[in-house]
Amino acid sequence: AQTVTQSQPEMSVQEAETVTLSCTYDTSENNYYLFWYKQPPSRQMILVIRQEAYKQQNATENRFSVNFQKAAKSFSLKISDSQLGDTAMYFCAFMTYNNNDMRFGAGTRLTVKP
Amino acid sequence: EPEVTQTPSHQVTQMGQEVILRCVPISNHLYFYWYRQILGQKVEFLVSFYNNEISEKSEIFDDQFSVERPDGSNFTLKIRSTKLEDSAMYFCASSAGTAKETQYFGPGTRLLVL
Repeated sequence: AQTVTQSQPEMSVQEAETVTLSCTYDTSENNYYLFWYKQPPSRQMILVIRQEAYKQQNATENRFSVNFQKAAKSFSLKISDSQLGDTAMYFCAFMTYNNNDMRFGAGTRLTVKP
Repeated sequence: EPEVTQTPSHQVTQMGQEVILRCVPISNHLYFYWYRQILGQKVEFLVSFYNNEISEKSEIFDDQFSVERPDGSNFTLKIRSTKLEDSAMYFCASSAGTAKETQYFGPGTRLLVL
């Protein structure tokens, strides 16, 4: 069974600083996808970034980047130059290549302080 | 930018009543999903739907639940006889293809069963 673990229930960061959110997962599959979703107070789930497991290069999207360590089954999200609008719940998610049921972690509540 | 929409945004119902949650996926998407998030808990996969039939479902998706695509645009989740524990946020999502395609989420319907 695939599981996703986010060990940090809450984190905070000062505006303009950098923060890293942790995520580990467990799977016996070799082909899969990893995602970070953001859920602001409006509650709509928004895709932040995704990573294909077969790609060695870490995905980046503007201020967001990941550190994907396949052997360690680790997928952390780094937010650079944090902005007040980054305040949200962040969910790490996992999906195998052949299935469509996305598995989510418990989430990390990030607060960006002015 | 096209987006997934859901109606209603909030619904209150009495235990034992039937509810239908509606979703309009992104128009050229072929795969549709329902997830739920009980307050304070992680997002959980319920069901995926493709080519007018269920492709995968979780153990949560029991006989009380059903999904339907009654026309070319709507995708519905029906709960036949609601229970108190069905109170949750229900998210619809759609994707253009299978796992390698990103799932785009709707804003959710908050269901409260009294």
